[in-house]
Amino acid sequence: KNEVEQSPQNLTAQEGEFITINCSYSVGISALHWLQQHPGGGIVSLFMLSSGKKKHGRLIATINIQEKHSSLHITASHPRDSAVYICAPRGGSQGNLIFGKGTKLSVKP
Amino acid sequence: EAQVTQNPRYLITVTGKKLTVTCSQNMNHEYMSWYRQDPGLGLRQIYYSMNVEVTDKGDVPEGYKVSRKEKRNFPLILESPSPNQTSLYFCASSSGAGRAETQYFGPGTRLLVL
Repeated sequence: KNEVEQSPQNLTAQEGEFITINCSYSVGISALHWLQQHPGGGIVSLFMLSSGKKKHGRLIATINIQEKHSSLHITASHPRDSAVYICAPRGGSQGNLIFGKGTKLSVKP
Repeated sequence: EAQVTQNPRYLITVTGKKLTVTCSQNMNHEYMSWYRQDPGLGLRQIYYSMNVEVTDKGDVPEGYKVSRKEKRNFPLILESPSPNQTSLYFCASSSGAGRAETQYFGPGTRLLVL
């Protein structure tokens, strides 16, 4: 049973396109993280949100707690956005992260 | 600079030879955690620690040990490594044990067990 489902698994886009990555989860959570994993392997936390919407530059993250759904949007995508994006709700009594399997994004020039 | 460091970054070893992967953070974080990442399975939690001398099992603790004697360090110990422990390992930390705080990840350790 997958507690966190991400879609799509793989995504290829042309530079400049608007990108949406979706995340659905089945457990109660206190917050949700979006992570970016670079081709070299390093992981960076992009957002942590518990309600509404957050924006950092060209990246926007939204969450609907009632519907147990979050989205990550990238406006005006660029080849340097190519990475794996991982949704990670924080749930359970200890607040540990539960990870989606990731969405591999490739942005072509 | 705020960071989580891991050593070694790459390690090739043989079955049964004990090894330790170190993890250290300089942010005075209470919460630290170890994850492994495998193709098709994503990231899975091995062990975590809410504070000094407080550790608990994650989803895949078998074959691993941890200790938290100091706030900044959280080593991962493989007493008798086996080939199924070949993986990419990440250490992470955050402030506020159990609270919704940003997690900082180390650079990862690639382990190959022959």
